[in-house]
Amino acid sequence: DAKTTQPPSMDCAEGRAANLPCNHSTISGNEYVYWYRQIHSQGPQYIIHGLKNNETNEMASLIITEDRKSSTLILPHATLRDTAVYYCIAIPSYSGAGSYQLTFGKGTKLSVIP
Amino acid sequence: DTEVTQTPKHLVMGMTNKKSLKCEQHMGHRAMYWYKQKAKKPPELMFVYSYEKLSINESVPSRFSPECPNSSLLNLHLHALQPEDSALYLCASSQDWPGPDTQYFGPGTRLTVL
Repeated sequence: DAKTTQPPSMDCAEGRAANLPCNHSTISGNEYVYWYRQIHSQGPQYIIHGLKNNETNEMASLIITEDRKSSTLILPHATLRDTAVYYCIAIPSYSGAGSYQLTFGKGTKLSVIP
Repeated sequence: DTEVTQTPKHLVMGMTNKKSLKCEQHMGHRAMYWYKQKAKKPPELMFVYSYEKLSINESVPSRFSPECPNSSLLNLHLHALQPEDSALYLCASSQDWPGPDTQYFGPGTRLTVL
């Protein structure tokens, strides 16, 4: 499975866009990039995932570089409730391409500041 | 409804006690998971159930005994635990396993072993 690396922490002003980077330089063409977050003392929450194309949903946007070696999760208007640890995880898209297990790294602790 | 419920929210037990954690989902998911999360660490997978059968046991000590009575319910039976087993225990479910399906997590049970 591809290993992902993320900055340990980031700050973002409330109301501004939060851009969380993830490096996955060894990702294969068959691995999704998944993002989850965990608000303090709660269970992880799915945010978004993508394979090659950029994706957007009601929570966030995911921008994947053309070479797929890195991606950025964008929270367009961060609120205090977005303060959490954000995890970027590579997961194979089909059987035989690796393990489907969610292996959480250390993630990025995002602090949204009033 | 994308809710996974866990009971109890908090549990304090002695090393000689026997207790159980309960997890329930009504999304029609066929895969259910137990994770353990120590303080300031990411969640770690313990068990995976698929169609009510144990698919993965991540070398978890036998003092943790999972049970899946039906497709909506997952239990974790605890016996003779050690203080180092104190952690947040998270349950999750997904549509299927194996597969890159989104996992939905419950709020967790915070366990303290005295």
